[in-house]
Amino acid sequence: KQEVTQIPAALSVPEGENLVLNCSFTDSAIYNLQWFRQDPGKGLTSLLLIQSSQREQTSGRLNASLDKSSGRSTLYIAASQPGDSATYLCAVRPGGDYKLSFGAGTTVTVRA
Amino acid sequence: NAGVTQTPKFQVLKTGQSMTLQCAQDMNHEYMSWYRQDPGMGLRLIHYSVGAGITDQGEVPNGYNVSRSTTEDFPLRLLSAAPSQTSVYFCASSYLSLGQGLMNTEAFFGQGTRLTVV
Repeated sequence: KQEVTQIPAALSVPEGENLVLNCSFTDSAIYNLQWFRQDPGKGLTSLLLIQSSQREQTSGRLNASLDKSSGRSTLYIAASQPGDSATYLCAVRPGGDYKLSFGAGTTVTVRA
Repeated sequence: NAGVTQTPKFQVLKTGQSMTLQCAQDMNHEYMSWYRQDPGMGLRLIHYSVGAGITDQGEVPNGYNVSRSTTEDFPLRLLSAAPSQTSVYFCASSYLSLGQGLMNTEAFFGQGTRLTVV
């Protein structure tokens, strides 16, 4: 069974600092990995999708890397802002399956 | 572009009552699924469907039923609500994969239904 771990569970940084969020998974036979953002009381918003054949994806200040062989993905958020405060979830889609396996998330607070 | 729409947003039920959580998507996605999110437990898969007329159980299916009569709709039924079903429920949809890189299988989520069973 695919296990997805996100460490740390919570992170507090001053505004302007770069954020580094980690996601690890136990089975490297994945189809893709997706990063989501969740604001309190809200749904999940997709941030980035990385296919298994890709090493990274970028969108604005966000960059996600994928190292399938070591079972790791990292989400970088450059020059953090208070509006980046949210919970960030990673989810893995196994190869040959449709069901996503989620990590428990990292809750980020960016202090003004 | 509505995406994935869930109704209602909030619901309070008494133990033993039944209800249906609605989920609709307008992206013609084949794959739809229901998750529950509980503090400290992350998102857990309840049921999923790979197309109209096809459903299957996920990780925590007990106490829930689903059906898929159309591509657009995937309702979740609570047969006899219990306090343990107090949770936030999310519906998600995506295309099915046809092979590496052939289809974008990005998952889209609804805004959730916050259910309290008293």
